[in-house]
This record gives sequence, structure tokens and C-alpha cells, in this order.
Amino acid sequence: ETGVTQTPRHLVMGMTNKKSLKCEQHLGHNAMYWYKQSAKKPLELMFVYSLEERVENNSVPSRFSPECPNSSHLFLHLHTLQPEDSALYLCASSPGGSGTDTQYFGPGTRLTVL
Amino acid sequence: TQLLEQSPQFLSIQEGENLTVYCNSSSVFSSLQWYRQEPGEGPVLLVTVVTGGEVKKLKRLTFQFGDARKDSSLHITAAQPGDTGLYLCAGERGSQGNLIFGKGTKLSVKP
Repeated sequence: ETGVTQTPRHLVMGMTNKKSLKCEQHLGHNAMYWYKQSAKKPLELMFVYSLEERVENNSVPSRFSPECPNSSHLFLHLHTLQPEDSALYLCASSPGGSGTDTQYFGPGTRLTVL
Repeated sequence: TQLLEQSPQFLSIQEGENLTVYCNSSSVFSSLQWYRQEPGEGPVLLVTVVTGGEVKKLKRLTFQFGDARKDSSLHITAAQPGDTGLYLCAGERGSQGNLIFGKGTKLSVKP
């Protein structure tokens, strides 16, 4: 148990559906992250929030929309996804935004887009 | 172009053997981290190396950061089945401290 929880753990959706992924951290951290982990690619950083402000958006398509209502919660809203968006979506948090800070990862949401 | 190349991609060994996995780049990183990820879980940080030439030991695991801060290695002595997992290296880039990950080395240690 790392103190970072993600729900749901598994999600199957059609290309026309709208769904949301939720991440919650119980560590009092100030920074939160969304990563995408595909089978044949390195772990890719999608979004970074620091003190609830988005500080990084790595050219992610607009069909992925993050939301950070407070420092403990992070959402990833999904709409009109493509089959190639199927992947493991990992949330992480860290005390601050420095790369030497330890990032604590959640268990991930395994997303399948049909 | 992948910034961080990890090798080998897959490694299957018997319990008790030693092994080394590598993380190489043509870019310089201000720090480098090693993670282990088990099936159904997120990556867990093992170590962060910051200084060129630095060596850190964590029980049977020895981590080395290259002098030029472009590469790193992880050596495991007397591997155990519990060492099985995906080993990821990640380099820190930029002032925001964002991490660039390699594809990982999938290690299987058979009893």
C-alpha cells in the first residue's frame, strides 16, 4: 500500500463512451501526475499538477481531460477514445515537483477501448 | 528516438545467479531513478542516484551512475524469486523535474 489509490482498477469502454478515472493520495503531497503505460512503449508522462495547478501537458490529445479539484484528488476524464488508447493509466504523487522527489505510484487503471 | 535504452529487454535466470541490467542514454540527466514494478501494481522506487560515479547498495542490489551521468547499471547478487518484476530506469530532465522512463527490463527468477 503506497498511499495512492486509483479507481476503477479495470475499465472497458466503447469509443463513444465518456468515463472518468479517479486518483486519491493520502500522503499530504503537493504534486500529482498521470502516466500512460503501453505494452511496447516507455512509461509516458501525460500531465503534472503542482498545488492544484497544471504545470505540464505533454502534447496529450484533447480527448483526455485532467482535473485536480484539490491536492488530494486527481481525475482523468475520457471521451471518444480510440483503441490505441488502451493501456495502464498510472497516477503518482510526490512531496513537491522536483525530479529527485520520490514519486509514489498507484496500482493503475487497466483501460480497454473497444 | 528513445532517450533511455534499457537492456536486456527480458532476462530469465535461476535462483542464486547474479545479473546486471543496463540503462543507457546519449543525454545527460541531473538524476536517475530505478523502480521495480510487479504485475498489477505501480512502480516502486528503489533508489535515486545524483552524482556521476555514485554507487549505492540496497541489500543484494548495487546501483551505479556513470561518470558522465548518461548511463546506469543495476547489479543483483544471488537473485531470489522475489526479485522478479519489471525494472525501470527514469532520468530527470528539465527544471520541472519531469522523469523520462526507459521501457524496462523484465526479470524472471526461477526457483
